[in-house]
Amino acid sequence: DAKTTQPPSMDCAEGRAANLPCNHSTISGNEYVYWYRQIHSQGPQYIIHGLKNNETNEMASLIITEDRKSSTLILPHATLRDTAVYYCIVRFRSGNTGKLIFGQGTTLQVKP
Amino acid sequence: GAGVSQSPRYKVTKRGQDVTLRCDPISSHATLYWYQQALGQGPEFLTYFNYEAQPDKSGLPSDRFSAERPEGSISTLTIQRTEQRDSAMYRCASSLGVAGRDEQFFGPGTRLTVL
Repeated sequence: DAKTTQPPSMDCAEGRAANLPCNHSTISGNEYVYWYRQIHSQGPQYIIHGLKNNETNEMASLIITEDRKSSTLILPHATLRDTAVYYCIVRFRSGNTGKLIFGQGTTLQVKP
Repeated sequence: GAGVSQSPRYKVTKRGQDVTLRCDPISSHATLYWYQQALGQGPEFLTYFNYEAQPDKSGLPSDRFSAERPEGSISTLTIQRTEQRDSAMYRCASSLGVAGRDEQFFGPGTRLTVL
């Protein structure tokens, strides 16, 4: 599975969009980009995933660059409850265990 | 069930004792994972099950760690002869295990403290 690089921390004002970047320059053609987050001491929570097209769900949007070497998770209107550690994970969807390899993630602090 | 449950939520034990942690996955989920999470770190993969089969044990740190899922539902993680370095949060996750629906749902975890 490809390695990812994320900034260790970011701040965002409540109500504004939070844009969390992730670099995955060694991603291979059939690896997907997944995002999970972990709020305080809770278990990680799935947010979204994508292969090469941009994706949107009720939680967030995922923008993947055309060369797939980086992506951005967008929380359109951040709230205080979005304060968490956000993990960008690259992995195959089949042919392997499906295990998630978490890096250090980005600690997002949403401020009032 | 409604979500993944784990028990106990907290376990304090003395060095050298054996402990068994339990995970009850979402009932329709074929795949079950165990992760270990040290304070301030992301979860690290230990092992996983597809029903009762255990195809990957590569993350288990030593032979003191073992896991079972005999009937393809509830799973246990056993640590024998616990050591202080085993102190961590142990998280269980489950997923449907089918293409297109493989997001993992995590339980609340068991906080293990070895004195």
